[in-house]
Amino acid sequence: GEDVEQSLFLSVREGDSSVINCTYTDSSSTYLYWYKQEPGAGLQLLTYIFSNMDMKQDQRLTVLLNKKDKHLSLRIADTQTGDSAIYFCAERPAGNKLTFGGGTRVLVKP
Amino acid sequence: DTGVSQDPRHKITKRGQNVTFRCDPISEHNRLYWYRQTLGQGPEFLTYFQNEAQLEKSRLLSDRFSAERPKGSFSTLEIQRTEQGDSAMYLCASSSTGLPYEQYFGPGTRLTVT
Repeated sequence: GEDVEQSLFLSVREGDSSVINCTYTDSSSTYLYWYKQEPGAGLQLLTYIFSNMDMKQDQRLTVLLNKKDKHLSLRIADTQTGDSAIYFCAERPAGNKLTFGGGTRVLVKP
Repeated sequence: DTGVSQDPRHKITKRGQNVTFRCDPISEHNRLYWYRQTLGQGPEFLTYFQNEAQLEKSRLLSDRFSAERPKGSFSTLEIQRTEQGDSAMYLCASSSTGLPYEQYFGPGTRLTVT
């Protein structure tokens, strides 16, 4: 079945790096995505990675994919207070829907 | 184009009433999705359209829920005889059919059933 899991909470100091982890179960997923959600708002697509890639870097964001372990991570370099939000990973198994994790709340402390 | 828009942003209704939400996708996107998000959870897929055809429905979409996309542009989601358990954020997303199939989300409609 489909199940995406994330840790609930991450606290980080401003300027440090944040690493948010995610595990998924559907090995047929072709793309994996990271979204950001601020309070009361919709989801903002941050980045994605294709399943045949190990790593993708996009400015302050680095996505690492370990397909063997079905483990995905998002690293945010030089974390800022504006990065405080809930981060969701999502997989896209066969079909067109996304299956989301429960979200990781990131709190950036000054 | 300013992105996906949803209307209303907030809706408070009494149990048993019917409600309808509207979603306007990004204009060049032919796929449109509805998700539901309850407090503290990730979004859950409800249904998706390609153009005007509804191609997939989740088992979460009970008989009280109906979605339409009559001309392949905007979509409506109607909930009949609302129940308190319907209280949630209803999110709409759209995408093209091309790789990497990114789905862009609207701001959501928050429904509160009293």
